[in-house]
Amino acid sequence: DQQVKQNSPSLSVQEGRISILNCDYTNSMFDYFLWYKKYPAEGPTFLISISSIKDKNEDGRFTVFLNKSAKHLSLHIVPSQPGDSAVYFCAASAQKAGANNLFFGTGTRLTVIP
Amino acid sequence: KAGVTQTPRYLIKTRGQQVTLSCSPISGHRSVSWYQQTPGQGLQFLFEYFSETQRNKGNFPGRFSGRQFSNSRSEMNVSTLELGDSALYLCASREGDYGYTFGSGTRLTVV
Repeated sequence: DQQVKQNSPSLSVQEGRISILNCDYTNSMFDYFLWYKKYPAEGPTFLISISSIKDKNEDGRFTVFLNKSAKHLSLHIVPSQPGDSAVYFCAASAQKAGANNLFFGTGTRLTVIP
Repeated sequence: KAGVTQTPRYLIKTRGQQVTLSCSPISGHRSVSWYQQTPGQGLQFLFEYFSETQRNKGNFPGRFSGRQFSNSRSEMNVSTLELGDSALYLCASREGDYGYTFGSGTRLTVV
């Protein structure tokens, strides 16, 4: 049972435009959400996170939005750059419930076209 | 500060064999988690060790086991390998509640 879902396996965006990656979750106990970026033959690299007490967190070109009522979060990358081309994983954990492990989505492959 | 180191990077094994993978966490990190990545399944949590004790376990059969040593290094063992065990196995370490850092993984191929 996939508790974190990324329904778009791939996304192509022109350089300079906005990339929006989406993620849905089913477990209402999740209170901490993260985005990881992964290049081939490397481990995932932490990108940005958000706690459930917030609805937005921004770090440079990356912004994560959280809609708790819809159990939905999204990652916005503006402006998109060719170096952003990678697989992006959404992850969630239920910290307050003592479950520290991360539940990952299946990933979205982003291709930024120069 | 050195990152998370996983060895070996690549491994080919035959069905029925067993395999041991190694993970050295970032110095000072006491928590080590293991994940399996397969196409279409994303990353699936295997288990987490903290101060030599298994703190959490995912939904994998008993053929998958692990341990952690006093220096926080961790090993993962898979016995009686099956073709479906072919995957990228990732280790992550952290200290505190947040901030997982992943290693580059071990690519296991079972033939």
